[in-house]
Amino acid sequence: DAMVIQNPRYQVTQFGKPVTLSCSQTLNHNVMYWYQQKSSQAPKLLFHYYDKDFNNEADTPDNFQSRRPNTSFCFLDIRSPGLGDAAMYLCATSSVGRNEQYFGPGTRLTVT
Amino acid sequence: GEDVEQSLFLSVREGDSSVINCTYTDSSSTYLYWYKQEPGAGLQLLTYIFSNMDMKQDQRLTVLLNKKDKHLSLRIADTQTGDSAIYFCAETLAGNTGKLIFGQGTTLQVKP
Repeated sequence: DAMVIQNPRYQVTQFGKPVTLSCSQTLNHNVMYWYQQKSSQAPKLLFHYYDKDFNNEADTPDNFQSRRPNTSFCFLDIRSPGLGDAAMYLCATSSVGRNEQYFGPGTRLTVT
Repeated sequence: GEDVEQSLFLSVREGDSSVINCTYTDSSSTYLYWYKQEPGAGLQLLTYIFSNMDMKQDQRLTVLLNKKDKHLSLRIADTQTGDSAIYFCAETLAGNTGKLIFGQGTTLQVKP
């Protein structure tokens, strides 16, 4: 089945230790999004890629970076995780001209 | 500004109808969405409506949009225990490349 896959589902990292979260998709969508969802809050967009074109939200901290080496994969890098970065990170994809965004299952990040 | 508001909690009995409400402030909303999130999982797109429409029905789901009042609702007929989840209302705005702006979510509890 075509889908959005996120690995790992659960990630534990230490304060200040860089961590990378992974997203892949078999939908061949050209837009990929990363959202951060803290406990009991709404998901909040961090950035998105339109093909290889990177679009950062104005209030996304510099600590968060992203890479998209090809259509299928997108990575979220957190350079120096703080305790406040503990959250669920959701990847989503969509196709330009279509209105649906499809979400992966999320990666729950714990910072110790 | 961009703001989407939902009531936080709704409890219904199995077999009853559920109505989850949402209000938004930005008149340039193009599409409005309902997503479902089960514990520890990603977001599942349930349905969406174009801002020019006032109603959309899809099996047990009915979406009503009052554009004048900027009010959106989701009615679930014959609510089942499997419908227990958090329901997020979201909007996209004209010209913002598909960014979803979410409400804070309504927790639906279905009692047997």
